[in-house]
Amino acid sequence: KNQVEQSPQSLIILEGKNCTLQCNYTVSPFSNLRWYKQDTGRGPVSLTIMTFSENTKSNGRYTATLDADTKQSSLHITASQLSDSASYICVVSASSYGGSQGNLIFGKGTKLSVKP
Amino acid sequence: DVKVTQSSRYLVKRTGEKVFLECVQDMDHENMFWYRQDPGLGLRLIYFSYDVKMKEKGDIPEGYSVSREKKERFSLILESASTNQTSMYLCASSPPRRTSGRIYEQYFGPGTRLTVT
Repeated sequence: KNQVEQSPQSLIILEGKNCTLQCNYTVSPFSNLRWYKQDTGRGPVSLTIMTFSENTKSNGRYTATLDADTKQSSLHITASQLSDSASYICVVSASSYGGSQGNLIFGKGTKLSVKP
Repeated sequence: DVKVTQSSRYLVKRTGEKVFLECVQDMDHENMFWYRQDPGLGLRLIYFSYDVKMKEKGDIPEGYSVSREKKERFSLILESASTNQTSMYLCASSPPRRTSGRIYEQYFGPGTRLTVT
């Protein structure tokens, strides 16, 4: 069964500290993996998208890694800011052999709180 | 910038009412989606549409229907709202495969928080 598991469920860190969020998946056949940031009461916004051949991708203070062999991804946040407080959702796309859409499998998210 | 808008941020309806949630995108995207998001469950796909008047069921279509009469607009309909449909509803759109390759980047609207009493 295609699944995406994220850990931890929630995390509290102090402003200025770094943190790493984890994503493990069992999705086959794999197409790509994406990380979204979702502020409370808002829609998700894409941070990074990685295909099978990419093992790291950065977007400002956010760096995502992908190990397609172990089926693991991480999102590293550097020098956290209060505005980083949000839920971070890992989404894996399975290849679609027909139709116009890949099948997206969503993780349940990690809720990050950055405290002053 | 892709813009996906949803007709209401907050909505309160009574059990048994017919509810319409509207979504509009301004990027000429072929594909549009409706999700619901509940605590501890993440996002779940209700319906999607890859062309005008075309629709496909997602993972949880029961109790919902959709309408896509124009390319830019995708409506979610709750024929007879029930309390278990209280949730956050998110609309998304994405460009077609021929322009996006295999990535299918999805752009989300701000969400509608629906409460059914």
